Amino acid sequence: QKEVEQNSGPLSVPEGAIASLNCTYSDRGSQSFFWYRQYSGKSPELIMSIYSNGDKEDGRFTAQLNKASQYVSLLIRDSQPSDSATYLCAVSGGYQKVTFGIGTKLQVIP
Amino acid sequence: ETGVTQTPRHLVMGMTNKKSLKCEQHLGHNAMYWYKQSAKKPLELMFVYSLEERVENNSVPSRFSPECPNSSHLFLHLHTLQPEDSALYLCASSQDLVRQGENQPQHFGDGTRLSIL
Repeated sequence: QKEVEQNSGPLSVPEGAIASLNCTYSDRGSQSFFWYRQYSGKSPELIMSIYSNGDKEDGRFTAQLNKASQYVSLLIRDSQPSDSATYLCAVSGGYQKVTFGIGTKLQVIP
Repeated sequence: ETGVTQTPRHLVMGMTNKKSLKCEQHLGHNAMYWYKQSAKKPLELMFVYSLEERVENNSVPSRFSPECPNSSHLFLHLHTLQPEDSALYLCASSQDLVRQGENQPQHFGDGTRLSIL
């Protein structure tokens, strides 16, 4: 069964620290990986997409992909209270089949 | 402003009612999606349309009926719903389903909060 696993949290980090969010997936054929941020009562918004093994950086965000180990992670440097949200990992094996994880709730403590 | 507009934002209906959810995207995208989001569950993909053709129906009960009259509009017609159908229904769009072998990121609307009495 295709699954995307995330720790639901909450993950609490102090302001200014690095937040590390992890996601594992079961479908070895997965090719596209996404991180979405969802504030309470709001819709998910795309943070990062990654398609190749390695790191991809965008501002304070770094996505890391390891297809051999079937995990993808999101690092948030210099965490801010405004980063407090639920982070959804999404994985696709091709065409239209996108599978979401349950999301990790991040709390950044001032 | 996400470029994807959903109406209504909130809907309360009885189990025997018929209602419709509307989604409109202003991004020029070719693919549109319906998702269900329930508490403590992952987003569940319901339907996918590409260029107005349905390409995915994830074993959704027939009491949910989608309609895509053009690439900018998507509807979800509701009929004889059950209490367990109460959830947040999200519409999303993407430029295409796949481009050069890569799935395209999706842009979500703010959702319709549906409550079934």
